[in-house]
Amino acid sequence: DTEVTQTPKHLVMGMTNKKSLKCEQHMGHRAMYWYKQKAKKPPELMFVYSYEKLSINESVPSRFSPECPNSSLLNLHLHALQPEDSALYLCASSQDPGRDQYFGAGTRLSVL
Amino acid sequence: QKEVEQNSGPLSVPEGAIASLNCTYSDRGSQSFFWYRQYSGKSPELIMSIYSNGDKEDGRFTAQLNKASQYVSLLIRDSQPSDSATYLCAGGIRGNQFYFGTGTSLTVIP
Repeated sequence: DTEVTQTPKHLVMGMTNKKSLKCEQHMGHRAMYWYKQKAKKPPELMFVYSYEKLSINESVPSRFSPECPNSSLLNLHLHALQPEDSALYLCASSQDPGRDQYFGAGTRLSVL
Repeated sequence: QKEVEQNSGPLSVPEGAIASLNCTYSDRGSQSFFWYRQYSGKSPELIMSIYSNGDKEDGRFTAQLNKASQYVSLLIRDSQPSDSATYLCAGGIRGNQFYFGTGTSLTVIP
């Protein structure tokens, strides 16, 4: 089973809203990742959690705030987003950092 | 300089032919390489991973890694229309870092 579950599948929010994206895996993976993907572009790495600790933050604006409550869950808290933040947000996990990553279906975010 | 460079394509091959996708990387410290397939509107799906020099085969797919030339390729034999997608090369660099190439759009013509 290589399933990574993301909720919600779609999200529309205003620039003053606060929302959260959720990601869950039950494969015992110790690394989890957030990516942002714009249309016709490759995924861009945002954050990496390794053994529940934030190990990489790719200069992401503070309006994006990651959280890893436990080894199976990963959240991305959103606040005061801009229209240019509209994109597909992908979560992935891997057994260990640098190993095969498995992606969830993504959350398609629209900021109005 | 991009960490991972990929032929942007698009690439078109007839059904039953071999499709060849190529990728180069800049960091000699890179240790792991991956090929993902992404259908329009869907998330990336892992096809192959390769960690050591040489070839790795899985069904119709063969990944090739040449660390001396800093080159990774993916061959798809007996291409099918269902293989039509964007193929993303990715490299694991400097531990947790993970970079995707720009992707190659493949169309298999029936």
